[in-house]
Amino acid sequence: QVQLQESGSGLVKPSETLSLTCAVSGVSVSSGGFSWTWIRQPPGRGLEWIAYVLNSGSTSYNPSLRSRLSISIDRPKNQFSLKVTSVTAADTAVYYCAREVIGLGSRWYFDLWGRGTLVTVSS
Amino acid sequence: QSALTQPASVSGSLGQSITMSCTGTSSDVGYYTYVSWYQQHPAKAPKLIIFDVTNRPSGVSSRFSGSKSGNTASLTISGLQAEDEAHYYCSSYTTSRTLVFGGGTELTVL
Repeated sequence: QVQLQESGSGLVKPSETLSLTCAVSGVSVSSGGFSWTWIRQPPGRGLEWIAYVLNSGSTSYNPSLRSRLSISIDRPKNQFSLKVTSVTAADTAVYYCAREVIGLGSRWYFDLWGRGTLVTVSS
Repeated sequence: QSALTQPASVSGSLGQSITMSCTGTSSDVGYYTYVSWYQQHPAKAPKLIIFDVTNRPSGVSSRFSGSKSGNTASLTISGLQAEDEAHYYCSSYTTSRTLVFGGGTELTVL
């Protein structure tokens, strides 16, 4: 059974760096045909795609957040991580990690999600 | 990139059918077939119910169906059940090489 589990900083001070990790079980992050993705949801609001990383280490970022983002993959630990620098209250959200399936002529949908972790930015 | 436009709420009676819309532009919904729909119950992670405009993942009820016309995608739920009450989000890839979501529609089952 494939599972994703987020962990990381629950409370971050403004201007500091938010760090999250997604532990993957049941499938190798080195497997082809997937991207490993972060999506967030501010309280009471909609979803926002943040970034993805491929098994090759290639990355893609939301242009509106790119300057503050870093996503990476750790194959030995079978996990991937996200860092967001210079956070503000607007970064307060539930952060989800998810798996995107990449097929021939088919992608940009997320078939597996973690339970999500709430990150609050506050002094 | 602006979010896709979804009605804030829709409602329907048990057993009835409802359709909710997701309106984008010629740079996202109108350009790609990479339109997906997610169901989200309170305090739960989203669940994929439709991908590539019309496809249902294994295990998702056939009561859920998707379609697209021009810049608008639609999700239809037939035979409404109490457990369908949730928020629904659409998403689409865009020519700006990013993914955008709609603001979400709250479905109430009467």
